[in-house]
Amino acid sequence: DAGITQSPRHKVTETGTPVTLRCHQTENHRYMYWYRQDPGHGLRLIHYSYGVKDTDKGEVSDGYSVSRSKTEDFLLTLESATSSQTSVYFCAISGQTSGGFNEQFFGPGTRLTVL
Amino acid sequence: GDSVTQMEGPVTLSEEACLTINCTYTATGYPSLFWYVQYPGEGLQLLLKATKADDKGSNKGFEATYRKETTSFHLEKGSVQVSDSAVYFCALYYNTDKLIFGTGTRLQVFP
Repeated sequence: DAGITQSPRHKVTETGTPVTLRCHQTENHRYMYWYRQDPGHGLRLIHYSYGVKDTDKGEVSDGYSVSRSKTEDFLLTLESATSSQTSVYFCAISGQTSGGFNEQFFGPGTRLTVL
Repeated sequence: GDSVTQMEGPVTLSEEACLTINCTYTATGYPSLFWYVQYPGEGLQLLLKATKADDKGSNKGFEATYRKETTSFHLEKGSVQVSDSAVYFCALYYNTDKLIFGTGTRLQVFP
């Protein structure tokens, strides 16, 4: 299994509070991704990173920010959580894209509930 | 924009039945196509892939053929097992750093 972990695995928080989810990899892969999974929507990309301090938006980036200060860690922050951000969040890593697809490996997910 | 459409589930089958999960795509070029599987409580795993027209991806008894003329990549298995119960996602990749996923199809196999 690819070395990818997510923390926390479960979190319950209240509307308006900040939340940070962490993705950690031991594979030294260049690309890292944050997705959210919701019934009827499949997986939707929130943000991704193509290197340290290099990030870009996905299709559902509003209300989320990310940071990547070192290769192994990719943080997803909800500055002020809302109930619509209740979801399961997955991190993924990939060794190569941009003209050559490498498999994306997924973490185990974080279940976030915003009350 | 590029998109993937999958049949809605759940698909409910008895053990040893034949499986087909339909997937069609819309893309401006010639994408690579994938099937991912998600077992309960886990993240997604790559099941199979095909990178050009007429390629057949296969793994664990599952197969899918890249059909450019019908823009399809249907997942098939001749005899399903209870252990195949999972959610299956079709996805495409084309000339970006990103995968585009379908909405997923839940498969339930009963003994």
